[in-house]
Amino acid sequence: DAGVTQSPTHLIKTRGQQVTLRCSPKSGHDTVSWYQQALGQGPQFIFQYYEEEERQRGNFPDRFSGHQFPNYSSELNVNALLLGDSALYLCASRSTVSTEAFFGQGTRLTVV
Amino acid sequence: GENVEQHPSTLSVQEGDSAVIKCTYSDSASNYFPWYKQELGKRPQLIIDIRSNVGEKKDQRIAVTLNKTAKHFSLHITETQPEDSAVYFCAAYYQTGANNLFFGTGTRLTVIP
Repeated sequence: DAGVTQSPTHLIKTRGQQVTLRCSPKSGHDTVSWYQQALGQGPQFIFQYYEEEERQRGNFPDRFSGHQFPNYSSELNVNALLLGDSALYLCASRSTVSTEAFFGQGTRLTVV
Repeated sequence: GENVEQHPSTLSVQEGDSAVIKCTYSDSASNYFPWYKQELGKRPQLIIDIRSNVGEKKDQRIAVTLNKTAKHFSLHITETQPEDSAVYFCAAYYQTGANNLFFGTGTRLTVIP
């Protein structure tokens, strides 16, 4: 079991561009959450996907959107990138019958 | 939503001493409180968790206590070792809707050999 995997691991984008980050959940997990972790801060909840629908959303603008596929993998899209979007983006998966969340290694996004 | 506060933000201890990190939460409906350890450049790893029907849980050198009335919980690490140096995050499970973790701001623990 590869656990939660994310791609890419690092990414550099220019302000105003769009980016797509990808996450494959741990085997047997059907729920995927995305978090933004700025340097020196705790992870901040962006949104969660279950059954291909956004089930809950944190305090992030509409520039942040996502998708979940039938195989439970997920994408995070960020439009009109700002310098402040530079952060480590973490994906966490779990089963709906469990509370334990497993994190991927993250994608470090740098906006220049 | 849930608000989790964590203190201290940095903590330095001598090897062998104990370390205590404290967190408070705002949502009385929260019933699951995990602690994550994040080493530099790595993903957060669950080290211990506690549910609201339990007041204390131990796992070797690590223990967590929960006071539901006061809405605070603490991580205790005894006999600290240099490999315990990392950033530790507390979190609360927001028991509503999709059920998501809300994290504290982290404590950077340094164990001095």
